[in-house]
Amino acid sequence: EVQLVESGGGLVQPGGSLKLSCVASGFTFRDYWMNWVRQAPGKTMEWIGDIKPDGSNTNYAPSVKNRFTISRDNAKSILYLQMSNMRADYTATYYCVRGADNNYWFAYWGQGTLVTVSS
Amino acid sequence: DTVLTQSPALAVSPGERVTISCRASESVSTLMHWYQQKPGQQPTLLIYLASNLESGVPARFSGSGSGTDFTLTIDPVEADDTATYYCQQSWNDPWTFGGGTKLELK
Repeated sequence: EVQLVESGGGLVQPGGSLKLSCVASGFTFRDYWMNWVRQAPGKTMEWIGDIKPDGSNTNYAPSVKNRFTISRDNAKSILYLQMSNMRADYTATYYCVRGADNNYWFAYWGQGTLVTVSS
Repeated sequence: DTVLTQSPALAVSPGERVTISCRASESVSTLMHWYQQKPGQQPTLLIYLASNLESGVPARFSGSGSGTDFTLTIDPVEADDTATYYCQQSWNDPWTFGGGTKLELK
């Protein structure tokens, strides 16, 4: 069974930093594109970025480019999201998501971790 | 970015047929996918590449369309289908989602 378990969410002040983790199990982690997708309260989803199976390439949404960094540890099956210089509108539930077929759609989602940016 | 427009809400009775629409601001070929999100839960994949049913998803769900106009159909609707449904395109970077259609049962 595919499982994606996020952690690291919480309250952070504007301008602060936070690092999220996602532990994957039930599949061969190193074979898949991985993504982070966020959902602000009561809003739709926003794709934040992705990372190639071997970690050699990342892509980011314009809204978070130069603020967020996605990385992965294939030996430990862990996906990371480093967030810096955070803003209030980054308040959202952050989902770890496994891509499908060259990452054209999102096959499996974690349960999400809530990040609140507030002073 | 490619904007995906969905009707905000629909209300139907159990046993009826419902169609949920998604219109793209530009062509996305057939790179359109559908997700279901129940309250307090993460989204789950229903349909990929416009019309392909994800494994384990009931055959009551189906998808159609190409270009800019897409439809998710549920026939017949069951009480458990109460949820918000989102479309997502992967033709134009960045991948984007529709605003969601909240399905309520009468």
